[in-house]
Amino acid sequence: DAGVTQSPTHLIKTRGQQVTLRCSPKSGHDTVSWYQQALGQGPQFIFQYYEEEERQRGNFPDRFSGHQFPNYSSELNVNALLLGDSALYLCASSFVLVNTEAFFGQGTRLTVV
Amino acid sequence: GNSVTQMEGPVTLSEEAFLTINCTYTATGYPSLFWYVQYPGEGLQLLLKATKADDKGSNKGFEATYRKETTSFHLEKGSVQVSDSAVYFCALTGGGNKLTFGTGTQLKVEL
Repeated sequence: DAGVTQSPTHLIKTRGQQVTLRCSPKSGHDTVSWYQQALGQGPQFIFQYYEEEERQRGNFPDRFSGHQFPNYSSELNVNALLLGDSALYLCASSFVLVNTEAFFGQGTRLTVV
Repeated sequence: GNSVTQMEGPVTLSEEAFLTINCTYTATGYPSLFWYVQYPGEGLQLLLKATKADDKGSNKGFEATYRKETTSFHLEKGSVQVSDSAVYFCALTGGGNKLTFGTGTQLKVEL
């Protein structure tokens, strides 16, 4: 079992550009959540996808959007990048059942210059 | 809304010392509580969890008890090792698997 895999591991983008991050959930999981972790902070919930629809959303602007595919993998898209978007982006997968354990990937380190 | 408050770090201990990292929470209903650990350059790993009041989660010598009356979930370990050096996050779910995290506590264990 490969666990949760994210790509790429590191990325450098310029202000104003757009970026796409990818996540493959742990085998058998059907729910994918995305988190942003700024340096020295705890992860902040961005949104969650289940059955290819956004089910919950945190306090993030519409520049942050996502998608879930039929195989449960997911993408996070960020448009019009700002310097403040520089962070570690974490993907977590789980079952749809409430309060089951979430498994995290290694994250994608995004640097905006 | 839900929130988690944990003690600021860094916490620096000598090997074999006793560890306590305090965590308190605010939540509606009956959240599940978690401790996650993050080693340098890595993602988060679940360390332990508790799903109802008075439950004790334990793993790898770490333990924490879900105290509803004090809204706390303090992490303890009787004897830390250098390999325990990492950042520890207290978290809760209020429903739908959305995790709310504290700001993290860095632990440094020295020989």
